[in-house]
Amino acid sequence: GAVVSQHPSRVICKSGTSVKIECRSLDFQATTMFWYRQFPKKSLMLMATSNEGSKATYEQGVEKDKFLINHASLTLSTLTVTSAHPEDSSFYICSAWEIGRSTDTQYFGPGTRLTVL
Amino acid sequence: DAKTTQPTSMDCAEGRAANLPCNHSTISGNEYVYWYRQIHSQGPQYIIHGLKNNETNEMASLIITEDRKSSTLILPHATLRDTAVYYCIVNNAGNMLTFGGGTRLMVKP
Repeated sequence: GAVVSQHPSRVICKSGTSVKIECRSLDFQATTMFWYRQFPKKSLMLMATSNEGSKATYEQGVEKDKFLINHASLTLSTLTVTSAHPEDSSFYICSAWEIGRSTDTQYFGPGTRLTVL
Repeated sequence: DAKTTQPTSMDCAEGRAANLPCNHSTISGNEYVYWYRQIHSQGPQYIIHGLKNNETNEMASLIITEDRKSSTLILPHATLRDTAVYYCIVNNAGNMLTFGGGTRLMVKP
């Protein structure tokens, strides 16, 4: 199946700093990518939909000025957590649809664990 | 998107078949049934999906009832590495996926 990568896999930062997470589709192009967040023992919650060449669409309750999304190419979307605080500590996961081959399937990255001290 | 109902948890003996049910009574005609699993601290892994026909791949089989209101994911010979949370999701291709609570499958020796 198709591969989606994320970088970094783990990051620890001080409160008030900004953190950038990259999501790449390695062997297919993705006009749309999705960013999810998962807190311990909870299910994945969609944060935003990232569209190549246009503004991201954010879910209700997600601050667009805090979680900056840039989808500059068909294989790369970035999520920047600005002025991170301890409550932003979570597992961030991206995904992308592989459409147009024999089957339409959404693939997920391995996730990025963010810890804000 | 149609909602799904899954048991919270299930146990399975290693080497036996694991049958994970999912109810999706409000599924619409063009929605697929997708199955993913998430092993602790990893991103969800795609398993299989189908529209109305039964499907099989190297990981699992998917049985969809004729009325499409329920489905069963079958892991034919469960191993300890199959211990994970399994998510059944119904969706149109291309849209974001909405995750419910899933079924926590525990494969025991």
